[in-house]
Amino acid sequence: GAGVSQSPRYKVAKRGQDVALRCDPISGHVSLFWYQQALGQGPEFLTYFQNEAQLDKSGLPSDRFFAERPEGSVSTLKIQRTQQEDSAVYLCASSLEQGFRSEQYFGPGTRLTVT
Amino acid sequence: GESVGLHLPTLSVQEGDNSIINCAYSNSASDYFIWYKQESGKGPQFIIDIRSNMDKRQGQRVTVLLNKTVKHLSLQIAATQPGDSAVYFCAENYGNTPLVFGKGTRLSVIA
Repeated sequence: GAGVSQSPRYKVAKRGQDVALRCDPISGHVSLFWYQQALGQGPEFLTYFQNEAQLDKSGLPSDRFFAERPEGSVSTLKIQRTQQEDSAVYLCASSLEQGFRSEQYFGPGTRLTVT
Repeated sequence: GESVGLHLPTLSVQEGDNSIINCAYSNSASDYFIWYKQESGKGPQFIIDIRSNMDKRQGQRVTVLLNKTVKHLSLQIAATQPGDSAVYFCAENYGNTPLVFGKGTRLSVIA
C-alpha cells in the first residue's frame, strides 16, 4: 500500500518568503508527527497531532512555524519569513495508534533550502 | 539521492561480517529505545525497539542490547549485506514524550 508522501520534495526559498510543506499520511493513521533534520544530524521533533488535535508543539523553534491538520488527515507545515537557519529536511511520520510509541512510518522528507 | 549526513561517524565492514553500531543515550529516565535505518533520500525506517525491562531483543538478523547501567545501546547486524549500507540512528523516550534521536552512524558495507 501507499506510504507517507510529502510534497514538494525540494523547495528553494529566498530569505523572508513563506513556505508550505504538505504531508499525506497513511490512510487511517491517527497520529502524525513533524521533524526537522539538519545535515549530519538526527531528526528533531517539531510537533504531534492526534487526529486533528495538535497535542504537542513543544519542538517548534519559533512562532514563525505553524502546523495544521484540519480534517485529521493531510497536514501542512508552514514557515513564515524563512531564515537561512531553517534550511533542513522536514520529515513527516504517521502511526496507526496514538502516542509516541506506536511505530512511526516516515515520508521521504522535503528538503528546504533558504538562500 | 541526497546525503543525510556528511560528517557522521562511519563504520566500514566487509560483506558477510557482523556489524555492531553503538549509541550512548543521555536521559536516565528513558525507558523505550528504537533503532532506525535511513537510506540516502529516504526517511528513517523502523528496525527494532526495546523497553527498559529487557536487556536484549532479537529480530531478523538484528539484535539490540541495552545496558542501563552505563546508558548504552547497541545494534548488531549479522552477516552484513550491501543493502545494509545506510545511516543508523538510535532514539529514546520516556512516558508520553517525543522521541529524541541520536546523531547517527554511517554503515558502509564493502563488497
